[in-house]
Amino acid sequence: DAMVIQNPRYQVTQFGKPVTLSCSQTLNHNVMYWYQQKSSQAPKLLFHYYDKDFNNEADTPDNFQSRRPNTSFCFLDIRSPGLGDAAMYLCATSRVRVGAKNIQYFGAGTRLSVL
Amino acid sequence: GESVGLHLPTLSVQEGDNSIINCAYSNSASDYFIWYKQESGKGPQFIIDIRSNMDKRQGQRVTVLLNKTVKHLSLQIAATQPGDSAVYFCAESSTLVFGTGTRLLVSP
Repeated sequence: DAMVIQNPRYQVTQFGKPVTLSCSQTLNHNVMYWYQQKSSQAPKLLFHYYDKDFNNEADTPDNFQSRRPNTSFCFLDIRSPGLGDAAMYLCATSRVRVGAKNIQYFGAGTRLSVL
Repeated sequence: GESVGLHLPTLSVQEGDNSIINCAYSNSASDYFIWYKQESGKGPQFIIDIRSNMDKRQGQRVTVLLNKTVKHLSLQIAATQPGDSAVYFCAESSTLVFGTGTRLLVSP
């Protein structure tokens, strides 16, 4: 059974049209992450939540926002998608934030296309 | 800044061979490393981890070696199978930085 579920798997949006990607987890983990992964590149961390504590990476553009209404759900909002935002977006969870046993469990990702 | 990098972007092996994927890191204070496998169209999956107080850890067909002196770790896959074809990432726990990735291609 999938433990980290991302919807939709594929999303097409128009240039400048806001889009929301969703992630849910059944693991009851404290930490949820959003990564951006472009073709043939490593996942790049955008931000993460430790419980309700939001942690933004320094180089994450303001265009990217996130919400975590409860333990199970986390959303990625892209306010005005540009062509450069086309990528795979990966959601992950972990029981702890850093340190030993910080194993992340990833969803299958949402592939975003921007027309 | 922090970096976790890989030496080889692509590794091609024959089925049955042993594979070795390398990774270098820059932060000598890093204390926990994880290897992930990412198959096409999927998210990364945990393979094996190692703490800095160890220099070797074995799993099923996989072994991770850690050399803190030269800040290097490797993932060894024994008797590589076509199902091992994927991109492999090393990651350092405290910074959540992923290495560049090595694509492993296994031919029958």
